[in-house]
Amino acid sequence: AAGVIQSPRHLIKEKRETATLKCYPIPRHDTVYWYQQGPGQDPQFLISFYEKMQSDKGSIPDRFSAQQFSDYHSELNMSSLELGDSALYFCASSRRDRDYEQYFGPGTRLTVT
Amino acid sequence: AQKITQTQPGMFVQEKEAVTLDCTYDTSDQSYGLFWYKQPSSGEMIFLIYQGSYDEQNATEGRYSLNFQKARKSANLVISASQLGDSAMYFCAMEWPGYSTLTFGKGTMLLVSP
Repeated sequence: AAGVIQSPRHLIKEKRETATLKCYPIPRHDTVYWYQQGPGQDPQFLISFYEKMQSDKGSIPDRFSAQQFSDYHSELNMSSLELGDSALYFCASSRRDRDYEQYFGPGTRLTVT
Repeated sequence: AQKITQTQPGMFVQEKEAVTLDCTYDTSDQSYGLFWYKQPSSGEMIFLIYQGSYDEQNATEGRYSLNFQKARKSANLVISASQLGDSAMYFCAMEWPGYSTLTFGKGTMLLVSP
């Protein structure tokens, strides 16, 4: 079965640089979620989109922005990167009417040096 | 506010034995969902099982079952016949009613020995 695709899988950036993470949800899933998991931490919700509109907002820094496109893929844009942004970034997707089936992608491991 | 508590930072079990991972939650809402995810050392987050607050039966998925005790606000994961490949971090998560985003517990590291 098709799964959530995230790219890139690994990314190394320097402080103050920008990064763009991409997420391709499971086909026919209309909702995308972004989570950030710091080293040894539990995942923290950042932001979600439903039908290309922002749905919910969590602890997303102002330096980050995200959007969902017409093909339902989503991008998380991160600017002025800080060392503390080093984390595993997960994208998850679900169908709005079946949000109890929330599947995660493999994650993008971002390292800021 | 919703809160998820996993009191066991680590658990050890021998292969073929059953193990229970604890999860308690705190919410004043009547409608909510509870999830368990497995995170192996490779990092991916694997969905295991879901329990809705109004589900009368405990959820089961293969070797995984969820011991749901609503009055006690607990949703413990039971893994029967542990396998070496079950060694991983296990997260309990709660769906925030009306939002469908997940709030996670701190996780329990399970180690299965031969």
